[in-house]
Amino acid sequence: QKEVEQNSGPLSVPEGAIASLNCTYSDRGSQSFFWYRQYSGKSPELIMFIYSNGDKEDGRFTAQLNKASQYVSLLIRDSQPSDSATYLCAVPANEDTGRRALTFGSGTRLQVQP
Amino acid sequence: EAGVAQSPRYKIIEKRQSVAFWCNPISGHATLYWYQQILGQGPKLLIQFQNNGVVDDSQLPKDRFSAERLKGVDSTLKIQPAKLEDSAVYLCASSRQAHPTDTQYFGPGTRLTVL
Repeated sequence: QKEVEQNSGPLSVPEGAIASLNCTYSDRGSQSFFWYRQYSGKSPELIMFIYSNGDKEDGRFTAQLNKASQYVSLLIRDSQPSDSATYLCAVPANEDTGRRALTFGSGTRLQVQP
Repeated sequence: EAGVAQSPRYKIIEKRQSVAFWCNPISGHATLYWYQQILGQGPKLLIQFQNNGVVDDSQLPKDRFSAERLKGVDSTLKIQPAKLEDSAVYLCASSRQAHPTDTQYFGPGTRLTVL
């Protein structure tokens, strides 16, 4: 059973700062990594997907993957109060078969202070 | 494109009662997932369907939970009998296929409270 670990937070940052969210995973064979955002009382929505080592940027969001150290990070630049949410890291259960359901971490709660 | 639909949105029942949840995925999506999300935790897979076949139900408590997707479109998840620890949000998600890069889109969820 794959495991995904996240610090539950809350991580509090001032508006305009960079928020850094981290996630570690247990299976060295994991290839794909997902970041979902979940507002309180809402369902998760996909923010970023990363497959290769290195960085992937999309607007204010940057995902960083380090397979040797088995961690993946999400950076949010110019944080806004609207970014306040829980951020969930996830990996597919088994990428070599049809079992592509996601194993989620428990999420990190981000609070952006105005 | 319409999103994943779920009903009901909220359900309150007493322990040992039965309950059923319904999900209609995004049109054309072959893969459907049911997740359970307990407060303060990430979603946990209960069952994955590819069209109308079960791909993964390894974490489904089969003594009380059942699910079906008869025509490869909408799906029903049932709990019988419910326990207090079943209080959670039940999320349905769908994706085009089961490729690792396919985005899973989540429905609004059904919040179940078992008293």
